[in-house]
Amino acid sequence: QPQLQESGPGLVKPSETLSLTCTVSGGSISRSSYYWGWIRQPPGKGLEWIGSISYSRNTYYNPSLKSRVTISVDTSRNQFSLNLSSVTAADTAVYYCARHLSAAFFDFWGQGTLVTVSS
Amino acid sequence: DVQMTQSPSTLSASVGDRVTITCRARQSISSWLAWYQQKPGKAPKLLIYKASSLESGVPSRFSGSGSGTEFTLTISSLQPDDFATYYCQQYNSYSFTFGQGTKLEIK
Repeated sequence: QPQLQESGPGLVKPSETLSLTCTVSGGSISRSSYYWGWIRQPPGKGLEWIGSISYSRNTYYNPSLKSRVTISVDTSRNQFSLNLSSVTAADTAVYYCARHLSAAFFDFWGQGTLVTVSS
Repeated sequence: DVQMTQSPSTLSASVGDRVTITCRARQSISSWLAWYQQKPGKAPKLLIYKASSLESGVPSRFSGSGSGTEFTLTISSLQPDDFATYYCQQYNSYSFTFGQGTKLEIK
């Protein structure tokens, strides 16, 4: 069973870029059939899918965030990453990375990391 | 995006009760629906996929049903460990969306 672990700064200034990495252990990130996604949850609120990347590096983004999001994969390090540009306080949230099959449910999740946007 | 609406937002129940949570989609999503359980400070945990398939290791007191636009998650006999927040998620299209959540509280 894979294990996922998010890492990155816990504090980002407004207008800057939020950058997070998810390290996958217990399996190859480039294994066919699997997709790797980011989901966030503002404090006290619900879940929002941000975007996903496939084993073949195809990307899929939430239309409401698409203009600010980039997801990439580094197969040599078994990691995938999230960049969210021009952040505001509304981007303060716990950010989760997770695995899924194509257009499917999320079966394995990281523990989540809180990112606060504040000057 | 396919909007997902859960009801109720909060549900108070007692150990041993049978409870049902409803999730409605604004358009048909066939059976492409999952249910998750989330406890405070933890990541969501997959319970049900494809509307009614039980994830491995999940107790059989959890069940899901529905298709098209209306879905339900039922817990047949509430246990103390079940008090948590539950979310539905559609994956009919490649813009996944979640319901707003249902908080299951102890009465």
